[in-house]
Amino acid sequence: QSALTQPPSASGSPGQSVTISCTGTSSDIGGYNYVSWYQQHPGKAPKLMIYEVSKRPSGVPDRFSASKSGNTASLTVSGLQAEDEADYYCSSYADSSYVFGTGTKVSAL
Amino acid sequence: QLQLQESGPGLVKPSETLSLTCTVSGGSISSSSYYWGWLRQSPGRGLEWIGSIYYSGTTHYNPSLRSRVTISVETSKNQFSLKLTSMTAADTAVYYCGREVGNRSGYSYWGQGTLVTVSS
Repeated sequence: QSALTQPPSASGSPGQSVTISCTGTSSDIGGYNYVSWYQQHPGKAPKLMIYEVSKRPSGVPDRFSASKSGNTASLTVSGLQAEDEADYYCSSYADSSYVFGTGTKVSAL
Repeated sequence: QLQLQESGPGLVKPSETLSLTCTVSGGSISSSSYYWGWLRQSPGRGLEWIGSIYYSGTTHYNPSLRSRVTISVETSKNQFSLKLTSMTAADTAVYYCGREVGNRSGYSYWGQGTLVTVSS
């Protein structure tokens, strides 16, 4: 199992949109509709923001949206706010296990 | 509100076995149809899923760690545990326990994490 590939960083001005990509293979992202996204602030545990490709857990703002096409998943943060500055990780179910992405640091300029 | 708390040693010697326990409060391990898991995070390896267990004892492990990992559950104590053998410096990480939001769907509940350092 190889880690899913994410860009190291992404940024946008407050109020703008930022999109993060997550590239895998047909054995993980492309093979299952079980992609999840996590937000992690320094020193904190990851927080689930998206599950099953595009579903938001209760309490997650609808500014966070996600999709999948083929072997690539994407997370979009619309109306970027200062508190959205964090590391974001994608993850996919893959044959009785999970694989995580390399992580993207999102900055609000 | 469901809460998870990891406990165990913060320092382990090389070649020794790590033992961690996750205590669940605010809900019963055996009353809900979820898998409970262990994950870890280190600067060098990023986030890594170690394995998971169902209250009945069914387990799934990361193929890269399967030969060294054992996850068990003790429903009477509302706990599940991790054993990782033959520890090396590469196993130094923050270890988290968690609960899936749904089968295969990711982890919606996480413990605060516990730092485990492997050093003599």
